[in-house]
Amino acid sequence: DAGVIQSPRHEVTEMGQEVTLRCKPISGHDYLFWYRQTMMRGLELLIYFNNNVPIDDSGMPEDRFSAKMPNASFSTLKIQPSEPRDSAVYFCASSSSGTSYNEQFFGPGTRLTVL
Amino acid sequence: AQSVTQPDIHITVSEGASLELRCNYSYGATPYLFWYVQSPGQGLQLLLKYFSGDTLVQGIKGFEAEFKRSQSSFNLRKPSVHWSDAAEYFCAVGAGNFGNEKLTFGTGTRLTIIP
Repeated sequence: DAGVIQSPRHEVTEMGQEVTLRCKPISGHDYLFWYRQTMMRGLELLIYFNNNVPIDDSGMPEDRFSAKMPNASFSTLKIQPSEPRDSAVYFCASSSSGTSYNEQFFGPGTRLTVL
Repeated sequence: AQSVTQPDIHITVSEGASLELRCNYSYGATPYLFWYVQSPGQGLQLLLKYFSGDTLVQGIKGFEAEFKRSQSSFNLRKPSVHWSDAAEYFCAVGAGNFGNEKLTFGTGTRLTIIP
């Protein structure tokens, strides 16, 4: 299995631009998570989906952030408009409720820099 | 709401020495507990997990952790560290609408190994 795939790995953009981060979960997994990691705030859960349905988006910082999961194999996290304080590493993770521990498998992350 | 505290931000140990990383959690029910490791520029990898049964759990790379309910702790240990163990370590507690699918992470402990 290829694991969780994220693209792009690095993104540099200018303030005000739209940014779209992409994630392909592990095949067969029914949960998908988006996290943000910064030095100041550590690893924060932004939103998670179960069977493509958003379950908890309480971590989404503001309306500029949106996430979708149109099918079981693809999710996007969009920031519009982007701001310098959005600079962070964004991780996608997936897990399967078919296992007793629901272990989350993480992708390599997307490092976002907003100038 | 659940929370995790990792009191040590940075630990330095000599190669071959023993290691203990501390983790304290707050959760009203029986917790699902996890330790993840993050190497520089990488995603998180699961080291070990606990839900029930034997309170001493074994993980990958020679790590183990002990669950102590009375102390609300889940400390990570390794008898002899290797230079390749240098990384950041995160403790997490699982909770959520359906059980353990949502993880709350501690702020992490950065481990430096000196020759």
